[in-house]
Amino acid sequence: AQKITQTQPGMFVQEKEAVTLDCTYDTSDPSYGLFWYKQPSSGEMIFLIYQGSYDQQNATEGRYSLNFQKARKSANLVISASQLGDSAMYFCAMREGTSGSRLTFGEGTQLTVNP
Amino acid sequence: DAGVTQSPTHLIKTRGQQVTLRCSPKSGHDTVSWYQQALGQGPQFIFQYYEEEERQRGNFPDRFSGHQFPNYSSELNVNALLLGDSALYLCASSWRLKGRRRAYGYTFGSGTRLTVV
Repeated sequence: AQKITQTQPGMFVQEKEAVTLDCTYDTSDPSYGLFWYKQPSSGEMIFLIYQGSYDQQNATEGRYSLNFQKARKSANLVISASQLGDSAMYFCAMREGTSGSRLTFGEGTQLTVNP
Repeated sequence: DAGVTQSPTHLIKTRGQQVTLRCSPKSGHDTVSWYQQALGQGPQFIFQYYEEEERQRGNFPDRFSGHQFPNYSSELNVNALLLGDSALYLCASSWRLKGRRRAYGYTFGSGTRLTVV
């Protein structure tokens, strides 16, 4: 069963506008962590933001925020004030449990920021 | 502070050959995980090493093996290469505190792009 689902293969946004990238997850473990990574064409996975399942507030990191809706099992990434350099592949990932550190990734969303 | 270093960056091998990829973790990290990322897909977990032992393994055949050294660096070996093994291989390091089971904070390298012809 797909554990991480990213339903948007590609997204386009105008520079300086906000964009939301969708991510839904499936787990029966009450303890888990959700991550968003950015992957430019160079290949490196760049960590953006983390949300723990027990965190009371939505995570924020600069222009990135995570809209965490636990009951709906969604963890959407919001990028405010998009920049040309934000054009890249974005992956949502989940770590289940508190032990072990395997990450399960979604298929990714290709974001293109237009000038 | 150096991040995760992977070598080589690119590699071309012939079907049936063997390959070894290397990873040096971020300073202070003691756990290394390997991922395979086929073109246009998300990374798939291969295995994880901690204290020089394989701790977790994904759904990969025994042709994929690894090793972790006392300095926490790691190698990924793939035997009898298939065309389908062509992918970007990513190494991620993290830390695991003794006495605590939480692992958080993964740093990825830039990967090794393997092409099998």
